[in-house]
Amino acid sequence: AQSVTQPDIHITVSEGASLELRCNYSYGATPYLFWYVQSPGQGLQLLLKYFSGDTLVQGIKGFEAEFKRSQSSFNLRKPSVHWSDAAEYFCAVVGWNNDMRFGAGTRLTVKP
Amino acid sequence: DGGITQSPKYLFRKEGQNVTLSCEQNLNHDAMYWYRQDPGQGLRLIYYSQIVNDFQKGDIAEGYSVSREKKESFPLTVTSAQKNPTAFYLCASSIDGSSYEQYFGPGTRLTVT
Repeated sequence: AQSVTQPDIHITVSEGASLELRCNYSYGATPYLFWYVQSPGQGLQLLLKYFSGDTLVQGIKGFEAEFKRSQSSFNLRKPSVHWSDAAEYFCAVVGWNNDMRFGAGTRLTVKP
Repeated sequence: DGGITQSPKYLFRKEGQNVTLSCEQNLNHDAMYWYRQDPGQGLRLIYYSQIVNDFQKGDIAEGYSVSREKKESFPLTVTSAQKNPTAFYLCASSIDGSSYEQYFGPGTRLTVT
């Protein structure tokens, strides 16, 4: 079955610094990949998704992610973090049985 | 405004009582989902429904039940058989079962004491 690993439980970056959140997936074929963001006590909002085509995908709020098949990765990046980006970020994968599997999440703290 | 509503936002119950969490959507989506979220564990699928009057168990269905009598509504009942019911519960929907983009409600935090 497909699975997702987010190696970093918690990341702290300074406001204005760049950000990269890691996501590795386990799946035999080309998966469908997603990044969601969750503010405390709220639901999840879709940031971006990858189904096929260009491996660099652009999302909302200035985020982008790059699909690297050779590394089974789908890392999320942002060139300059804003204080409002502090939240929890979830990577997710959909595989052959249409089940969406979520990673455990990475909590982002932004220092002033 | 289209979206998913979950009510209430906070729910408190005594151990041994059943409790029903509400999820309503006006997106005209066929598929709906219930997830449970615990700290450090991401989201785990409880039940999902691809069409009215049909639903399937997810990974952690034990101690939960659902119904899907209307397209707009997918209530989740947490029964007394659920051993550790305190959690944050999220409802989601998608256009259909093969559309992978899910839209989430704001969640209900259930505390059982």
